[in-house]
Amino acid sequence: DAKTTQPPSMDCAEGRAANLPCNHSTISGNEYVYWYRQIHSQGPQYIIHGLKNNETNEMASLIITEDRKSSTLILPHATLRDTAVYYCIVRPGSSNTGKLIFGQGTTLQVKP
Amino acid sequence: EPEVTQTPSHQVTQMGQEVILRCVPISNHLYFYWYRQILGQKVEFLVSFYNNEISEKSEIFDDQFSVERPDGSNFTLKIRSTKLEDSAMYFCASLPSPASTDTQYFGPGTRLTVL
Repeated sequence: DAKTTQPPSMDCAEGRAANLPCNHSTISGNEYVYWYRQIHSQGPQYIIHGLKNNETNEMASLIITEDRKSSTLILPHATLRDTAVYYCIVRPGSSNTGKLIFGQGTTLQVKP
Repeated sequence: EPEVTQTPSHQVTQMGQEVILRCVPISNHLYFYWYRQILGQKVEFLVSFYNNEISEKSEIFDDQFSVERPDGSNFTLKIRSTKLEDSAMYFCASLPSPASTDTQYFGPGTRLTVL
Protein backbone atom coordinates (compact mmCIF):
# COMPACT_ATOMS: atom_id res chain seq x y z
CA ASP A 1 0.00 0.00 0.00
CA ALA A 2 0.98 3.62 -0.54
CA LYS A 3 2.77 5.22 2.42
CA THR A 4 1.36 8.67 1.73
CA THR A 5 -1.93 10.47 2.35
CA GLN A 6 -3.22 13.17 0.04
CA PRO A 7 -6.52 15.05 -0.21
CA PRO A 8 -8.63 13.53 -3.00
CA SER A 9 -9.23 16.81 -4.78
CA MET A 10 -8.35 20.50 -4.85
CA ASP A 11 -9.26 23.53 -6.92
CA CYS A 12 -6.99 26.39 -7.91
CA ALA A 13 -7.58 29.58 -9.84
CA GLU A 14 -5.57 30.01 -13.00
CA GLY A 15 -2.45 32.12 -12.40
CA ARG A 16 -2.44 31.47 -8.68
CA ALA A 17 -0.11 29.17 -6.79
CA ALA A 18 -1.32 25.62 -6.27
CA ASN A 19 -0.18 24.09 -2.98
CA LEU A 20 -0.65 20.33 -2.81
CA PRO A 21 -0.06 18.72 0.57
CA CYS A 22 1.13 15.21 1.30
CA ASN A 23 1.43 13.37 4.58
CA HIS A 24 4.14 10.70 4.92
CA SER A 25 4.41 10.33 8.66
CA THR A 26 6.04 6.88 8.49
CA ILE A 27 8.80 7.88 6.10
CA SER A 28 12.18 6.27 6.76
CA GLY A 29 15.50 8.05 6.83
CA ASN A 30 16.60 6.78 3.44
CA GLU A 31 13.31 7.38 1.64
CA TYR A 32 12.84 10.18 -0.83
CA VAL A 33 9.62 12.02 -1.61
CA TYR A 34 8.75 11.93 -5.32
CA TRP A 35 5.99 13.79 -7.09
CA TYR A 36 4.46 12.68 -10.36
CA ARG A 37 1.37 13.83 -12.19
CA GLN A 38 -0.97 12.20 -14.68
CA ILE A 39 -2.85 14.31 -17.16
CA HIS A 40 -6.03 12.55 -18.24
CA SER A 41 -4.98 8.96 -19.02
CA GLN A 42 -1.46 9.75 -20.15
CA GLY A 43 1.60 8.16 -18.62
CA PRO A 44 2.69 9.57 -15.25
CA GLN A 45 5.08 12.48 -15.59
CA TYR A 46 7.92 13.14 -13.16
CA ILE A 47 7.81 16.54 -11.47
CA ILE A 48 10.34 16.72 -8.64
CA HIS A 49 11.81 14.81 -5.73
CA GLY A 50 13.73 15.48 -2.53
CA LEU A 51 15.08 14.00 0.67
CA LYS A 52 15.01 16.73 3.31
CA ASN A 53 15.99 20.00 1.70
CA ASN A 54 13.57 22.09 -0.25
CA GLU A 55 13.90 21.64 -4.00
CA THR A 56 12.96 23.75 -6.98
CA ASN A 57 13.02 23.11 -10.70
CA GLU A 58 11.39 24.63 -13.75
CA MET A 59 8.09 22.92 -13.01
CA ALA A 60 7.59 23.23 -9.28
CA SER A 61 8.95 23.61 -5.76
CA LEU A 62 8.97 20.96 -3.07
CA ILE A 63 8.83 21.98 0.56
CA ILE A 64 9.59 19.21 3.07
CA THR A 65 8.98 19.80 6.77
CA GLU A 66 11.90 19.54 9.13
CA ASP A 67 10.60 16.30 10.64
CA ARG A 68 10.02 15.00 7.08
CA LYS A 69 6.55 13.79 7.96
CA SER A 70 4.86 15.95 5.37
CA SER A 71 5.59 17.93 2.24
CA THR A 72 3.96 20.41 -0.10
CA LEU A 73 4.26 20.60 -3.86
CA ILE A 74 3.94 24.16 -5.13
CA LEU A 75 3.05 25.05 -8.69
CA PRO A 76 3.81 28.77 -8.61
CA HIS A 77 1.50 29.96 -11.40
CA ALA A 78 -1.01 27.27 -12.22
CA THR A 79 -2.37 27.07 -15.76
CA LEU A 80 -5.28 25.12 -17.18
CA ARG A 81 -2.75 22.58 -18.50
CA ASP A 82 -1.77 21.78 -14.91
CA THR A 83 -5.15 20.14 -14.35
CA ALA A 84 -4.15 16.57 -13.50
CA VAL A 85 -3.89 13.93 -10.78
CA TYR A 86 -0.82 14.57 -8.62
CA TYR A 87 0.87 11.69 -6.85
CA CYS A 88 3.15 11.92 -3.84
CA ILE A 89 5.29 8.77 -3.53
CA VAL A 90 7.98 7.77 -1.07
CA ARG A 91 10.76 5.54 -2.34
CA PRO A 92 14.10 4.39 -0.95
CA GLY A 93 16.99 6.42 -2.25
CA SER A 94 18.66 3.29 -3.44
CA SER A 95 16.49 0.24 -3.86
CA ASN A 96 17.09 -2.94 -5.74
CA THR A 97 14.15 -2.43 -8.07
CA GLY A 98 13.18 1.25 -8.14
CA LYS A 99 9.46 0.45 -8.38
CA LEU A 100 6.94 3.16 -7.59
CA ILE A 101 3.85 2.55 -5.46
CA PHE A 102 1.06 4.94 -6.41
CA GLY A 103 -1.79 5.98 -4.17
CA GLN A 104 -5.00 7.66 -5.30
CA GLY A 105 -3.35 11.06 -5.59
CA THR A 106 -4.93 14.52 -5.58
CA THR A 107 -7.02 15.63 -8.51
CA LEU A 108 -6.13 19.27 -9.11
CA GLN A 109 -8.65 21.27 -11.09
CA VAL A 110 -7.33 24.60 -12.33
CA LYS A 111 -10.20 26.94 -13.09
CA PRO A 112 -10.21 30.05 -15.29
CA GLU B 1 14.30 14.92 -24.80
CA PRO B 2 14.46 11.12 -24.92
CA GLU B 3 11.19 9.32 -24.32
CA VAL B 4 9.69 5.90 -23.76
CA THR B 5 7.47 4.78 -26.62
CA GLN B 6 4.74 2.14 -26.63
CA THR B 7 2.85 0.33 -29.34
CA PRO B 8 0.05 -0.07 -30.09
CA SER B 9 -1.74 2.85 -28.49
CA HIS B 10 -4.96 0.82 -28.38
CA GLN B 11 -5.39 -2.95 -28.61
CA VAL B 12 -8.74 -4.69 -28.80
CA THR B 13 -8.81 -8.45 -28.33
CA GLN B 14 -11.19 -11.28 -27.63
CA MET B 15 -11.17 -13.00 -24.26
CA GLY B 16 -8.76 -15.93 -24.26
CA GLN B 17 -6.51 -14.49 -26.93
CA GLU B 18 -2.83 -13.72 -26.44
CA VAL B 19 -1.62 -10.14 -26.65
CA ILE B 20 1.83 -8.64 -26.75
CA LEU B 21 2.36 -5.06 -25.71
CA ARG B 22 5.55 -3.42 -26.89
CA CYS B 23 7.75 -0.76 -25.40
CA VAL B 24 10.97 0.92 -26.43
CA PRO B 25 12.67 2.23 -23.28
CA ILE B 26 15.12 5.11 -23.26
CA SER B 27 18.34 3.84 -24.78
CA ASN B 28 20.79 4.10 -21.88
CA HIS B 29 18.36 2.91 -19.23
CA LEU B 30 18.91 -0.43 -17.51
CA TYR B 31 15.75 -0.95 -15.45
CA PHE B 32 12.39 -1.56 -17.04
CA TYR B 33 8.88 -1.71 -15.64
CA TRP B 34 5.30 -2.46 -16.48
CA TYR B 35 2.40 -0.86 -14.62
CA ARG B 36 -1.29 -1.03 -15.27
CA GLN B 37 -4.23 1.23 -14.52
CA ILE B 38 -7.77 -0.05 -14.60
CA LEU B 39 -10.21 2.70 -15.54
CA GLY B 40 -10.87 4.96 -12.58
CA GLN B 41 -8.34 3.22 -10.36
CA LYS B 42 -4.79 3.87 -9.30
CA VAL B 43 -1.63 2.97 -11.18
CA GLU B 44 -0.43 -0.48 -10.08
CA PHE B 45 3.07 -1.94 -10.31
CA LEU B 46 3.26 -5.20 -12.23
CA VAL B 47 6.90 -6.11 -12.74
CA SER B 48 10.44 -4.81 -12.81
CA PHE B 49 13.15 -6.19 -15.08
CA TYR B 50 16.91 -5.83 -14.94
CA ASN B 51 19.81 -7.67 -16.51
CA ASN B 52 17.46 -9.86 -18.54
CA GLU B 53 15.51 -11.15 -15.61
CA ILE B 54 12.59 -10.21 -13.43
CA SER B 55 13.79 -8.43 -10.30
CA GLU B 56 10.40 -8.04 -8.66
CA LYS B 57 6.78 -8.78 -9.49
CA SER B 58 3.48 -8.03 -7.85
CA GLU B 59 0.65 -10.43 -7.01
CA ILE B 60 -1.10 -9.28 -10.16
CA PHE B 61 1.72 -10.63 -12.31
CA ASP B 62 0.66 -14.28 -12.36
CA ASP B 63 1.53 -17.08 -14.78
CA GLN B 64 -0.57 -15.49 -17.51
CA PHE B 65 1.93 -12.66 -17.75
CA SER B 66 5.48 -12.71 -19.06
CA VAL B 67 8.05 -10.11 -20.01
CA GLU B 68 10.92 -10.23 -22.42
CA ARG B 69 13.63 -8.08 -23.86
CA PRO B 70 14.03 -9.83 -27.20
CA ASP B 71 16.65 -7.47 -28.54
CA GLY B 72 18.61 -4.44 -27.41
CA SER B 73 15.73 -2.02 -27.72
CA ASN B 74 12.31 -3.60 -27.19
CA PHE B 75 10.70 -4.63 -23.92
CA THR B 76 7.48 -6.62 -24.18
CA LEU B 77 4.62 -7.69 -21.94
CA LYS B 78 2.73 -10.80 -23.01
CA ILE B 79 -0.62 -11.85 -21.65
CA ARG B 80 -1.20 -15.46 -22.67
CA SER B 81 -4.96 -15.80 -22.30
CA THR B 82 -6.65 -12.49 -21.74
CA LYS B 83 -9.55 -12.05 -19.35
CA LEU B 84 -12.14 -9.32 -19.22
CA GLU B 85 -10.47 -7.94 -16.10
CA ASP B 86 -7.21 -7.41 -17.99
CA SER B 87 -8.83 -4.43 -19.69
CA ALA B 88 -6.72 -1.48 -18.58
CA MET B 89 -4.06 1.04 -19.57
CA TYR B 90 -0.63 -0.54 -19.50
CA PHE B 91 2.35 1.73 -18.96
CA CYS B 92 5.96 0.91 -19.59
CA ALA B 93 8.66 2.79 -17.72
CA SER B 94 12.43 2.86 -17.63
CA LEU B 95 15.12 4.07 -15.27
CA PRO B 96 18.91 4.42 -15.64
CA SER B 97 19.42 2.99 -12.15
CA PRO B 98 17.42 2.94 -8.91
CA ALA B 99 19.65 5.59 -7.36
CA SER B 100 17.98 8.66 -5.93
CA THR B 101 19.43 10.92 -8.58
CA ASP B 102 17.64 9.05 -11.37
CA THR B 103 13.99 9.37 -12.27
CA GLN B 104 11.61 6.91 -13.84
CA TYR B 105 10.17 7.87 -17.21
CA PHE B 106 6.82 6.52 -18.37
CA GLY B 107 5.53 5.83 -21.84
CA PRO B 108 2.16 7.08 -23.09
CA GLY B 109 0.50 3.73 -22.45
CA THR B 110 -1.40 1.06 -24.36
CA ARG B 111 -5.13 0.84 -23.79
CA LEU B 112 -6.08 -2.86 -23.78
CA THR B 113 -9.73 -3.70 -24.27
CA VAL B 114 -10.75 -7.32 -23.80
CA LEU B 115 -14.16 -8.22 -25.19
